[in-house]
Amino acid sequence: GESVGLHLPTLSVQEGDNSIINCAYSNSASDYFIWYKQESGKGPQFIIDIRSNMDKRQGQRVTVLLNKTVKHLSLQIAATQPGDSAVYFCAEKDTNAGKSTFGDGTTLTVKP
Amino acid sequence: GAVVSQHPSRVICKSGTSVKIECRSLDFQATTMFWYRQFPKQSLMLMATSNEGSKATYEQGVEKDKFLINHASLTLSTLTVTSAHPEDSSFYICSATSWGGEKLFFGSGTQLSVL
Repeated sequence: GESVGLHLPTLSVQEGDNSIINCAYSNSASDYFIWYKQESGKGPQFIIDIRSNMDKRQGQRVTVLLNKTVKHLSLQIAATQPGDSAVYFCAEKDTNAGKSTFGDGTTLTVKP
Repeated sequence: GAVVSQHPSRVICKSGTSVKIECRSLDFQATTMFWYRQFPKQSLMLMATSNEGSKATYEQGVEKDKFLINHASLTLSTLTVTSAHPEDSSFYICSATSWGGEKLFFGSGTQLSVL
């Protein structure tokens, strides 16, 4: 079943395919969004961020899309590699309030 | 990029003892540090927000007398789990941000196991 904040708790892809990880957020006051990658037994690692005045931002092999109308955030990973296997968290932040709220996380498994 | 160092990475202790976890910002001044708890296959749960030189702000349901937080300098915050019990076993993570900063920089986490 679905997890609060994430559309799919697990995602399995073939190496070389593109991955799309989705996230729903709830606070309409959130104006800053971040994607983190967490490998087993480690702390989260920043991947990419986006402010609410943008709807798309690209990094190296990653793209974040923001749809404020439906409060939806997605992370696209191009040419997924085995090293991308991890848990991915979205986080939303109302910069006036100062705290970040994390989604439940999606486990990405990349099959060689 | 900014580096946050967290120690120890793993600790095993007996029930009833206290454990201190350190979180250091190595190359920036961390005006605010956050402490999280994470259970297996779950998200990060914010425990408390710590501002340098002031008392920590605890989230609802987090016992401040059990989880003592000290942020005495701009580069160091500590979390002490007092009189630890098996139910306190968890992965504890700190993060830090600088003044006016939005990005969170995370420590590598501490796996606490209470026997």
